[in-house]
Amino acid sequence: DAGVIQSPRHEVTEMGQEVTLRCKPISGHDYLFWYRQTMMRGLELLIYFNNNVPIDDSGMPEDRFSAKMPNASFSTLKIQPSEPRDSAVYFCASKKGGGVNSNQPQHFGDGTRLSIL
Amino acid sequence: DQQVKQNSPSLSVQEGRISILNCDYTNSMFDYFLWYKKYPAEGPTFLISISSIKDKNEDGRFTVFLNKSAKHLSLHIVPSQPGDSAVYFCAASSGYSTLTFGKGTMLLVSP
Repeated sequence: DAGVIQSPRHEVTEMGQEVTLRCKPISGHDYLFWYRQTMMRGLELLIYFNNNVPIDDSGMPEDRFSAKMPNASFSTLKIQPSEPRDSAVYFCASKKGGGVNSNQPQHFGDGTRLSIL
Repeated sequence: DQQVKQNSPSLSVQEGRISILNCDYTNSMFDYFLWYKKYPAEGPTFLISISSIKDKNEDGRFTVFLNKSAKHLSLHIVPSQPGDSAVYFCAASSGYSTLTFGKGTMLLVSP
């Protein structure tokens, strides 16, 4: 079975450019999460969706960050304009039903390593 | 303000011995706990979980212990194998909330 697929795996771009990260969740999963991992803050939740609807975006650091889920098999995280402090590894995860805190674990993609110069 | 703390950034163990990874939490409302394992350049992979109604859960070489009064959980790996070398994340949640992760402990199992 295909896991969570993220693209690109690596992204290097200059400050001020728009960055779009993509995620394909596991088929049949109805929750999708975006995380950011940094040395200082560890793994932190940015936003999550349930049935394609954003439920909690309180972790999104600034208005420069936005996320969409146009359908059950695709989500994007966009940063515009990007800044050097956005450099991090961004993970997407999905899980199947039963409530956000059900005993179904989240399954993670392999992440996008983002470097903003 | 970290609600889930993994105070040991790293741990070294010899192959065949027991690895014990620790995790402390401050939020008494947490009722579900998980451990994830992460290899370099890969995403975290679910390892084992425990509900607050239990104090122990076992899956093969992996056992998680929960001490609610101390707000402490631990992951035991017996026997440890070189392939267990990875970063281990503790995570917790309550009710309908999302997961809160610790910063991870890097385990190195040497042959």
